[in-house]
Amino acid sequence: DSGVTQTPKHLITATGQRVTLRCSPRSGDLSVYWYQQSLDQGLQFLIQYYNGEERAKGNILERFSAQQFPDLHSELNLSSLELGDSALYFCASSVGEGPGTGELFFGEGSRLTVL
Amino acid sequence: GENVEQHPSTLSVQEGDSAVIKCTYSDSASNYFPWYKQELGKGPQLIIDIRSNVGEKKDQRIAVTLNKTAKHFSLHITETQPEDSAVYFCAASWRVKLIFGTGTRLQVFP
Repeated sequence: DSGVTQTPKHLITATGQRVTLRCSPRSGDLSVYWYQQSLDQGLQFLIQYYNGEERAKGNILERFSAQQFPDLHSELNLSSLELGDSALYFCASSVGEGPGTGELFFGEGSRLTVL
Repeated sequence: GENVEQHPSTLSVQEGDSAVIKCTYSDSASNYFPWYKQELGKGPQLIIDIRSNVGEKKDQRIAVTLNKTAKHFSLHITETQPEDSAVYFCAASWRVKLIFGTGTRLQVFP
């Protein structure tokens, strides 16, 4: 158990809908990272927050947004869903601001299926 | 931006043999190179990492080597066991991001 909690574990929805994925980082970790893993693809970096502030953006679509709340949990909002958004979405947390400052601990992911 | 290439995409070995996975990165400013193991149905887990001021690091049966000049780094697993079967990802830090390779599915046959 990495200590990172992601909900829901599985989600099935229809095209055009909106979903919210939730992540609770490990106790004491200030950074939260979101990654997308599609079939046979690597981990695509979406966005990172540190202590409530956005720190880095990757290839995150405009239809996607995220935030980190004062209690450090984070939410990833996916809207106007398309079939291609079906993927495993991982949240990771670390103590420091960047990846070199400490290990990234990953949750078990939220599997999104868009029909 | 940073790009990380990983080879091979699949690797099958006999139990007890060695396995080598190779990665290259594009930005010479990258200075942190972790390796993650992802078992079925789980999130990736760090197994070993190396920083740019070190050429090699070992931890029991696994080792990582780094060639900064060539911008290559490799994961070496010796005396492979069936429980080593998983997907392995290399990664390179770039600014405050961690960029991952596309993964190597390792299968260890008894």
